[in-house]
Amino acid sequence: ETGVTQSPTHLIKTRGQQVTLRCSSQSGHNTVSWYQQALGQGPQFIFQYYREEENGRGNFPPRFSGLQFPNYSSELNVNALELDDSALYLCASSQSRTGNTEAFFGQGTRLTVV
Amino acid sequence: GNSVTQMEGPVTLSEEAFLTINCTYTATGYPSLFWYVQYPGEGLQLLLKATKADDKGSNKGFEATYRKETTSFHLEKGSVQVSDSAVYFCALPPPNSGYALNFGKGTSLLVTP
Repeated sequence: ETGVTQSPTHLIKTRGQQVTLRCSSQSGHNTVSWYQQALGQGPQFIFQYYREEENGRGNFPPRFSGLQFPNYSSELNVNALELDDSALYLCASSQSRTGNTEAFFGQGTRLTVV
Repeated sequence: GNSVTQMEGPVTLSEEAFLTINCTYTATGYPSLFWYVQYPGEGLQLLLKATKADDKGSNKGFEATYRKETTSFHLEKGSVQVSDSAVYFCALPPPNSGYALNFGKGTSLLVTP
């Protein structure tokens, strides 16, 4: 079975621009969660999608938005980029939307905002 | 909400030394507890988990016991290897077995030959 894959691996954007990050979930997984990991910090939960609907959201502003597609792949969109958005963005897929289920992570997308 | 506190790093050990990375939690109820590991340049991988009090999770020589009395889930390994050098994260879900995970800040481990 294929694991979780994210694209691109690295990205440089200018402040004020918009960015889209992509994630392919592991086969058989219907839930995708997105995390932001700043340098030297633990991942912070952005939001979760379950069967194409947003299932929960962390403390992130509305300019962070997402989608999940019928094949359960997902996108994270960030509008009006700020310097503080520079981070590693991690996608995780799981078989269930509860936090007690093992999550499988992709390798992440490193976003740099200049 | 549910949260974890990890010991500050970095931790530097010689190969074959004993490892302990402390993690204490604050939680409503008894959620599952997790240790994830992040190798350089990679995403996170589940290392081990425990689903209820007194459970011991183990994998690749690492162990952690879910201690209700001390609200702890310390990670241990009897003999570390250079390949264990990574960042280790303790994590638990929000209250009511909610979605996603709350992670600690991570503890960096460097094992030297």
